[in-house]
Amino acid sequence: AQKITQTQPGMFVQEKEAVTLDCTYDTSDPSYGLFWYKQPSSGEMIFLIYQGSYDQQNATEGRYSLNFQKARKSANLVISASQLGDSAMYFCAMSGVGGSQGNLIFGKGTKLSVKP
Amino acid sequence: EPEVTQTPSHQVTQMGQEVILRCVPISNHLYFYWYRQILGQKVEFLVSFYNNEISEKSEIFDDQFSVERPDGSNFTLKIRSTKLEDSAMYFCASALRRGGYNEQFFGPGTRLTVL
Repeated sequence: AQKITQTQPGMFVQEKEAVTLDCTYDTSDPSYGLFWYKQPSSGEMIFLIYQGSYDQQNATEGRYSLNFQKARKSANLVISASQLGDSAMYFCAMSGVGGSQGNLIFGKGTKLSVKP
Repeated sequence: EPEVTQTPSHQVTQMGQEVILRCVPISNHLYFYWYRQILGQKVEFLVSFYNNEISEKSEIFDDQFSVERPDGSNFTLKIRSTKLEDSAMYFCASALRRGGYNEQFFGPGTRLTVL
């Protein structure tokens, strides 16, 4: 069975600094995808970044990058130059690929607070 | 920019009543999902729907739940006889295949409160 673990219930970061949110995963599937979503206090789920298990390079999307270490089964999210608007819950998620319908399995989330 | 919409935004119901949560996915998407998030907890997968039928469902999605795509645009989740523990935020998502994965776009959610 697939499992996502986020061990940091809460994190603080100073505005303009970088922060790393941890995510480890467990799966027996050879192919899988890893995702990060942001959930502001308003409640919607916002897609941030995706990493495929066979991707050779770490994914980047603007200020977001994914530090993918396949051997360690980790997919940490790095947010550079934090902004006040980054304060939110962040969820790491995993899905199968190929014939899978791509159902997402989520971690428990990390609450990020950006301090001015 | 196209988006997933959900109605109502908040529904309050009595235990044992039936509720229908409605979603309008993005028009050219082919994969549809329902997830729920109990307050303060993680998001949990309920069911996925593709080619007009359920493709996968979780243990949570028991006989009290059903999904339909009644008119080719709406996607509904029905709970036949609500229980107190069904109180949660329910998210609909739709997706296109993008390379090797389904990029899912979530709706804003429906907050269901069962009294």
